[in-house]
Amino acid sequence: GAGVSQSPSNKVTEKGKDVELRCDPISGHTALYWYRQSLGQGLEFLIYFQGNSAPDKSGLPSDRFSAERTGGSVSTLTIQRTQQEDSAVYLCASSPRLGNYGYTFGSGTRLTVV
Amino acid sequence: DQQVKQNSPSLSVQEGRISILNCDYTNSMFDYFLWYKKYPAEGPTFLISISSIKDKNEDGRFTVFLNKSAKHLSLHIVPSQPGDSAVYFCAARIDGGGADGLTFGKGTHLIIQP
Repeated sequence: GAGVSQSPSNKVTEKGKDVELRCDPISGHTALYWYRQSLGQGLEFLIYFQGNSAPDKSGLPSDRFSAERTGGSVSTLTIQRTQQEDSAVYLCASSPRLGNYGYTFGSGTRLTVV
Repeated sequence: DQQVKQNSPSLSVQEGRISILNCDYTNSMFDYFLWYKKYPAEGPTFLISISSIKDKNEDGRFTVFLNKSAKHLSLHIVPSQPGDSAVYFCAARIDGGGADGLTFGKGTHLIIQP
């Protein structure tokens, strides 16, 4: 597609439930990034993919968070047993290659855990 | 600890005047800096960047200045236009940092007044 597409745009979930967030990057972009923005905070880096591999998962906030990317395209970020502190806007970005920092961001998924 | 700091949460500037957004950083290993612009309900969009080997980069109405000794960068917008009203994020990366993610500031909300 023309831009980075994220779904859903909004998600309200009950504490303790699992959620899955989807990112569809720009076609041909090999690098994909996940960030989150909590209320009043800057963007917090979570994880990046080069192709299908995620070399560094240390940015993920806890072991309840996981991410995968298949076919070098779509990525899903999964949060298990959601907590209220997980409430944030989750942003996905892609770039033509690793090291190209002119990212194109999606509009984000606003996650609210109640 | 906040490695990239934008100390002004908001800034109001009259249309036609110069807007100056400031950013300070603490990590001397940062070697590449970027500014992103974000409208409500949209993802951030890349605006302009600068490498640590330069002290100025200009693109149309936008100029970024880097003062390495002071660990300070600024974004100048001249002349300011109503469409410039948005949240501006400063971001930085570390060469060979491994995570390949950017470290963002909390943003400055720029309001252009007619």
